[in-house]
Parts: sequence; structure tokens; C-alpha cells
Amino acid sequence: DAKTTQPNSMESNEEEPVHLPCNHSTISGTDYIHWYRQLPSQGPEYVIHGLTSNVNNRMASLAIAEDRKSSTLILHRATLRDAAVYYCILRGGSGGSNYKLTFGKGTLLTVNP
Amino acid sequence: DAGVIQSPRHEVTEMGQEVTLRCKPISGHNSLFWYRQTMMRGLELLIYFNNNVPIDDSGMPEDRFSAKMPNASFSTLKIQPSEPRDSAVYFCASSFTGYTEAFFGQGTRLTVV
Repeated sequence: DAKTTQPNSMESNEEEPVHLPCNHSTISGTDYIHWYRQLPSQGPEYVIHGLTSNVNNRMASLAIAEDRKSSTLILHRATLRDAAVYYCILRGGSGGSNYKLTFGKGTLLTVNP
Repeated sequence: DAGVIQSPRHEVTEMGQEVTLRCKPISGHNSLFWYRQTMMRGLELLIYFNNNVPIDDSGMPEDRFSAKMPNASFSTLKIQPSEPRDSAVYFCASSFTGYTEAFFGQGTRLTVV
């Protein structure tokens, strides 16, 4: 399985942007980059995913490097409710065993008031 | 939709007892997953069902674990007999297909004493 590398922890201030990095130098051409987050005492929650182009949704933006060896999840204005563990996951396209989400240790984001 | 519903939220049982965890997936989703989360191993996929059929049970730790999906709206994960090392948070997740975003329940925290 292709691996991802994330910082163990990051800290931000409320209402400021947060950039969460992820390195995936062994990504294959068909791997999608998925982000999930896990709030305290809850199950993981889908945030966003992309293949090559940058993606935006109501929760966040995903910036993907041109060579696809790294990506950044951007929270435009962090709130206290964004404090969570953020997981960057590589997942192949539809088919085969690509139903599996392989979670690493993720990045623990702390948001200061 | 109320999301993925798991019960019970917490379970404390004695070693050797049978434990049954329950999951109601989101209506219309044809894929169901059981994951386990521990401090040591993180989130691991235990078993994957598609259209009520077990497709991948390679993550089930041993024969003491069994999972069923008798219909599209219900699944169980059973541990018999339970052991202290089974203590973990067990998550159920469902998705429209096995390759779309997964929606996780709030988990069942199992403690085996």
C-alpha cells in the first residue's frame, strides 16, 4: 500500500487558516488522495478527496502538488469544532480491493481560542 | 437519514462472555465495513460486506470473531469468547458503493475485564 507521512501534531488559532501537509512520494497514477477527520469520541468523518486538480467543498480545500507527491488540506477559518485528528489516505480508483481505507496515525490539530 | 447507528455505545463484559455489537447502515448504501480502533494499532478494517455478502474478512483477528449481515439494514459483529485484548472501539461504516465516501457510526467502546 502507498504510504503517507503527516506531522504528528499541529496547532492553530481560532479563525485563522490552517494548512495540514501530507507527503505521499510513492503515490501511483491511479491513487486518489482522501482526507478524513476524527473528532473526539466520534467516528471518522469524510472531509474531501482529489486526484490531480485542487478541490474545494464546504468543509475545506485540497491543494495537490503538480507532481502529486504531496498535498495540503486547507481549513480556511479554523474553529474550535475543527479540533480533531486529520488522516490523509491514498486510495485507488473503483475496483479490486480499493474499498479499504488504510488509516495512519494522522495529525492531531489543536485549535486555540 | 440518522446516519450509521451502532449499539450499544458502551459495553463492559467479563472475559469469556459473548459480546454482540450491532449496526444499522444508511439506507440505500450497499457496502458495510467493520473497523476496530486501538491505541496500539490505530484503525483497522476487520470485514467488508457488499450487498450483504462478506467480501473481505482478512482483518478478522481470529475465529472468536464473526460478522453477519442478514439484510441490507442490519449487521452484527460477535466475539465469543471475549478476551481483555479485544478491548477497543469498534466502528461500523457504510457507503453507497465500496469506493465512495464512507460514513462512520459513533462506535461501540468495548471493555473486557
